[in-house]
Amino acid sequence: AQSVTQLDSQVPVFEEAPVELRCNYSSSVSVYLFWYVQYPNQGLQLLLKYLSGSTLVKGINGFEAEFNKSQTSFHLRKPSVHISDTAEYFCAVSDLGGYQKVTFGTGTKLQVIP
Amino acid sequence: DARVTQTPRHKVTEMGQEVTMRCQPILGHNTVFWYRQTMMQGLELLAYFRNRAPLDDSGMPKDRFSAEMPDATLATLKIQPSEPRDSAVYFCASGLPINKNYGYTFGSGTRLTVV
Repeated sequence: AQSVTQLDSQVPVFEEAPVELRCNYSSSVSVYLFWYVQYPNQGLQLLLKYLSGSTLVKGINGFEAEFNKSQTSFHLRKPSVHISDTAEYFCAVSDLGGYQKVTFGTGTKLQVIP
Repeated sequence: DARVTQTPRHKVTEMGQEVTMRCQPILGHNTVFWYRQTMMQGLELLAYFRNRAPLDDSGMPKDRFSAEMPDATLATLKIQPSEPRDSAVYFCASGLPINKNYGYTFGSGTRLTVV
């Protein structure tokens, strides 16, 4: 079984400042990793994913994440945030096997301050 | 853009009533998930299907919840009888296996309030 830990429930950051949202996972097997964003009263939208290959993954809206196998981490970063990035961000993990059940973390609310 | 359609968007019902939530997955997607989101528990996986067959529904309270896919264009989640603790946002997501072409797309959710 897999699990995901997002240690920060809320992250306030000033507009145009950089941000890092932390995600650590636990699994006994190789995994796929994802970041999703949820805007108020909406469903989840895929930001980026790591399946294999380069450990630095670029996604939509200027976000990127780096897979670190030794630290079992998949932190999300953006060099300069905008007001429109205010949302909740979920890290998720899935096993590579047949079922590929996706398990989500508890989410991090990013609040961009003008 | 292709979308996962969930109906209704909002539902208010009295305790003890039956609730049915519907999901129309994206055409061609063979995997469907049901998630429940609450402030306290976050996103919980209730059930998921592949090629209309249930793969795992261990996250569902079996005595009152049921999930089905009567055909490839419709997934349903039923609660009978409903209880106030079932109040949550229920999301459906569809996609293809990750090693084929990851694309789990979420619907906008059904916000259920049981009074």
